[in-house]
Amino acid sequence: DTAVSQTPKYLVTQMGNDKSIKCEQNLGHDTMYWYKQDSKKFLKIMFSYNNKELIINETVPNRFSPKSPDKAHLNLHINSLELGDSAVYFCASSQDPPGLDTQYFGPGTRLTVL
Amino acid sequence: GENVEQHPSTLSVQEGDSAVIKCTYSDSASNYFPWYKQELGKRPQLIIDIRSNVGEKKDQRIAVTLNKTAKHFSLHITETQPEDSAVYFCAGGGAGTALIFGKGTTLSVSS
Repeated sequence: DTAVSQTPKYLVTQMGNDKSIKCEQNLGHDTMYWYKQDSKKFLKIMFSYNNKELIINETVPNRFSPKSPDKAHLNLHINSLELGDSAVYFCASSQDPPGLDTQYFGPGTRLTVL
Repeated sequence: GENVEQHPSTLSVQEGDSAVIKCTYSDSASNYFPWYKQELGKRPQLIIDIRSNVGEKKDQRIAVTLNKTAKHFSLHITETQPEDSAVYFCAGGGAGTALIFGKGTTLSVSS
């Protein structure tokens, strides 16, 4: 049983393109997250949604737009991709709101911008 | 906002030795401190966590201690094995705040 899944696993694209990453969790959790892990392995929160409502929006370029159609799904759309967007993007979920509970991570999407 | 510092950035031990990773946090309102293990090419996975009403927690070879006064917490791994080799992240958070991660410690256990 896959708890938190992401698609695609790998994404290679050219600068300037627009791409989306999808995330789904079947844990029945209320809160979902997007993290960016750069080449130095630093894990940084980007967004968090609780019951489809945006509750955390860190300093992220507005080229990144999350969307939560329902509480089991959280997608990330990136416009006008730049070289610096290359990273591994992790989706995660937790039962309780941020900062209070175990977060379960998806397998990650490795984005490479050429 | 919260800031979590983690040391050391790399740690090499011999199999069977103990390993200790230390973290400090800045926000006195933080009350949840998890530790995640990330193997190469894999997702971060929770290995142990501690809340501010507890000073120490143990799970087999892994233990975490928390000193709220000094705002630091530590991960202790005893009898290390090669499969313990990974990147370990500490994190801190509280109600309504994002979980802030330390920059990670790469642990290498050589046999």
